[in-house]
Formats: sequence, C-alpha cells, structure tokens
Amino acid sequence: AQSVSQHNHHVILSEAASLELGCNYSYGGTVNLFWYVQYPGQHLQLLLKYFSGDPLVKGIKGFEAEFIKSKFSFNLRKPSVQWSDTAEYFCAINTNAGKSTFGDGTTLTVKP
Amino acid sequence: NAGVTQTPKFQVLKTGQSMTLQCAQDMNHEYMSWYRQDPGMGLRLIHYSVGAGITDQGEVPNGYNVSRSTTEDFPLRLLSAAPSQTSVYFCASSKNRGQAEAFFGQGTRLTVV
Repeated sequence: AQSVSQHNHHVILSEAASLELGCNYSYGGTVNLFWYVQYPGQHLQLLLKYFSGDPLVKGIKGFEAEFIKSKFSFNLRKPSVQWSDTAEYFCAINTNAGKSTFGDGTTLTVKP
Repeated sequence: NAGVTQTPKFQVLKTGQSMTLQCAQDMNHEYMSWYRQDPGMGLRLIHYSVGAGITDQGEVPNGYNVSRSTTEDFPLRLLSAAPSQTSVYFCASSKNRGQAEAFFGQGTRLTVV
C-alpha cells in the first residue's frame, strides 16, 4: 500500500521568513511526486512535480522541492514567504499502477 | 477552456436521500477520479476511472457509485445519504494515470442532515 505523510499540520510564519514543509512517502516502486496548493475557497492547483532527472525541481511562485530518494522525501521550500502564500499545501504521489495518494495537508498562515 | 466542471457547488440532503454529483471535463483526459476532503484528513480517493467503461474503487468507496459512459463525464452517485458523507467533494482529471498532473474542479460542498 502507498502512503504519504506530511509532518506539519499547521505552520505559522511571518512575511519574509523561509519555509520548509516536510513530505515523506511509502511505496516500493517508482513514484511520481507532486505538490498542490489550495488557496482559501478554491480548488487544488499544481505547484510543482517531479518524475525523473534533477532532484531539485522549481515550481510556480518561487517554490521548489527536493527529492531525496534514500529518505523517501520530497520537501517543499520557499526562501521568503508572502502573505499571499497563506493556503493549504498537499503532497501527493502517483504510481504507474494508477492510484494517487495525498497527504493530510499542511495549513500555512503567513502573518503580514 | 472550461477544464473540470462540477455541479452543484452546494447541496443539502436529508438522510436517506440519493443524489448525483456531476463532473465533466473538456480536455480529453483518460483518467478521472473523485475525492472527498475532510478537515485534517486530506483528500481521500473514492473512485477512479482510467477510461470510458472502466472504473475502480479507491480508499473510501462505500456508499458511492460511479460510471463512465463517456470520456467527458464521471458522475458520482450517493445511494442513500448519511451524515458521515458530509464533506467537500472534488472531481479531478489527468491525461494519464502516472506522470500527468491532476486538474481539479471547484468542489461540491455537501451537507447531510
């Protein structure tokens, strides 16, 4: 069975602070990794994704994530958060077998 | 380009009633899925489809039925609504089952009283 674990349920930061959200997954085979963002009252949107190649991937709005295969991790980072980054963030994996699995989500609150 | 369209956006049902949540996509995506989102529990997969005529169960399929008669449409049926089905439901589609990102609808907020 595949699973995704997000370590932080709620993170509160001040503007300009650096962000790192943890994500670990469990699956015995090849996975495709995603981070999605859900702004208040909206649907989920893709932030970034990783399939292969350079393990450091860059997404929209200055976000990046690093895939560390040995740690089964795909942590999301941003050097300097803005108030507009307040949202819920979901890590997800797809396997080529078909099923997608999402983490429980991390709510980020950025104080102006 | 409409993307993924879900209707209705809000719905209140009485216990025991049935209803269908509609989902349509205009991107010719093969893969479609339904999730429910509950506080602190992320998104849980209810049912998914890898193409017209093919459906399969996800993590939490009980109480829900789906069908996929066309590539575009993937309705979710609640057979006999229960308060435990109060949730926000999202439909998603993607080009394929592996590497493609999912495109989500706006969600349906369902309350069962």
